Amino acid sequence: AIQLTQSPSSLSASVGDRVTIACRASQGVSPSLAWYQQKPGKPPKLLIYDVSTLESGVPPRFSGSGSGTDFTLAISSLQPEDFATYYCQQFDTYPRTFGQGTKVEIK
Amino acid sequence: QVQLVQSGAEVKKPGSSVRVSCKASGGTFSNYAFTWVRQAPGQGLEWMAGIMYVFATPSYAQKFQGRVTITADESTNTAYMDLSSLRSEDTAMYYCATERWGGLHRGEVDSWGQGTLVTVSS
Repeated sequence: AIQLTQSPSSLSASVGDRVTIACRASQGVSPSLAWYQQKPGKPPKLLIYDVSTLESGVPPRFSGSGSGTDFTLAISSLQPEDFATYYCQQFDTYPRTFGQGTKVEIK
Repeated sequence: QVQLVQSGAEVKKPGSSVRVSCKASGGTFSNYAFTWVRQAPGQGLEWMAGIMYVFATPSYAQKFQGRVTITADESTNTAYMDLSSLRSEDTAMYYCATERWGGLHRGEVDSWGQGTLVTVSS
């Protein structure tokens, strides 16, 4: 199975900060890489798919980039509603796999 | 977008089995690509199983091979996840979800059920 490793596992940031989260795959998965946001007690929400395509309704402060095995989620200006846990997921092959998650907390 | 409604919370004894259901609406059931994901308390997302469309062969994560079975009933637009030989480590929220396929879409998960909490305790 393809392993996805996210870094960092958690981070503290302030409103207005630029934040980046990395996701490294154990083998190439491009372009089948998605990012999800999850808030406590809720199911995940799709933010970005195919590495960099913004899901409809998701604010443009979110962006994705990368290729091959290395990918990044960026939030250009952190808003109060962005404090959550973020996961990458590959859907290139079965079994699908998720990264371990990155918790974004308020500084 | 597909709407998914899951069955209610379950409390099970170790060694028993559980069935979680997921009723889908808003599309053509036979075209749905179901996926099942679980999340233990305070932990991350764990992919368990998936099926490309109702009549396809399911794929299972190796960790759950032999213990999990996913099926779908087109007559009731309902998908099921059966997990057997339950142990305390299976206590988790179980999510049903669907992948989006067709056009430019190749399998991202865009719809999620509300989750079903399964508690395994003696």
